[in-house]
Amino acid sequence: DIQMTQSPSTLSASVGDRVTITCRASQRISRWLAWYQQKPGKAPSLLIYMASKVGSGVPLRFSGGGSETEFTLTISSLQPDDSATYYCQQYNSYPLTFGGGTKVDIK
Amino acid sequence: EVHLVESGGGLVKPGGSLRLSCAASGFISSDAWMGWVRQVPGKGLEWVGHIKNKIANEATDYAAPVKGRFTISRDNLRNTVTLHMTSLKIEDTAVYFCTKASGSFDSWGQGILVSVSS
Repeated sequence: DIQMTQSPSTLSASVGDRVTITCRASQRISRWLAWYQQKPGKAPSLLIYMASKVGSGVPLRFSGGGSETEFTLTISSLQPDDSATYYCQQYNSYPLTFGGGTKVDIK
Repeated sequence: EVHLVESGGGLVKPGGSLRLSCAASGFISSDAWMGWVRQVPGKGLEWVGHIKNKIANEATDYAAPVKGRFTISRDNLRNTVTLHMTSLKIEDTAVYFCTKASGSFDSWGQGILVSVSS
């Protein structure tokens, strides 16, 4: 199975800060990676697919990058509404696997 | 607009069975791969399995912890997907999300709680 490791597990930043979350895959996965945002009590929603393609309706401050084993999710200017937990997920091979999540708090 | 609504959750005893349904609307569900993802409250996300579309012979894939116990099926006329869970274990307790899947999960239902407890 491909293990997905996110860092950090939590982060606290101020409104307007640039925030970067890293996701590392235990094997090469090309660009078969997605990012999701989940707010408490809600279902996750797709932010990024194919490592860098922005999902429908997703604000342009969210961007994704990377390939093979190292990926990033960047929020260019953190907003209060971005307080949430973020997950990466690989879909290069079965079983599909998620990272452990990164909780983002607003200072 | 894509809309996925799960139903059928609840409390069940270990060893019991439960059937979750997902009603899909807003897209041609027969063309889509559909899947299930679960989340133990307060924990991370876990892929459960999915069913491919008709072109892919509606083939299914499952995560190892549920293989042989869970079955995913679809009714394209009714635009529904079903997760049939048998031999339930305490560790199957989670919120189950129905998803529209294309590798990544581009749409999600609101989730439904399944509690396995004696």
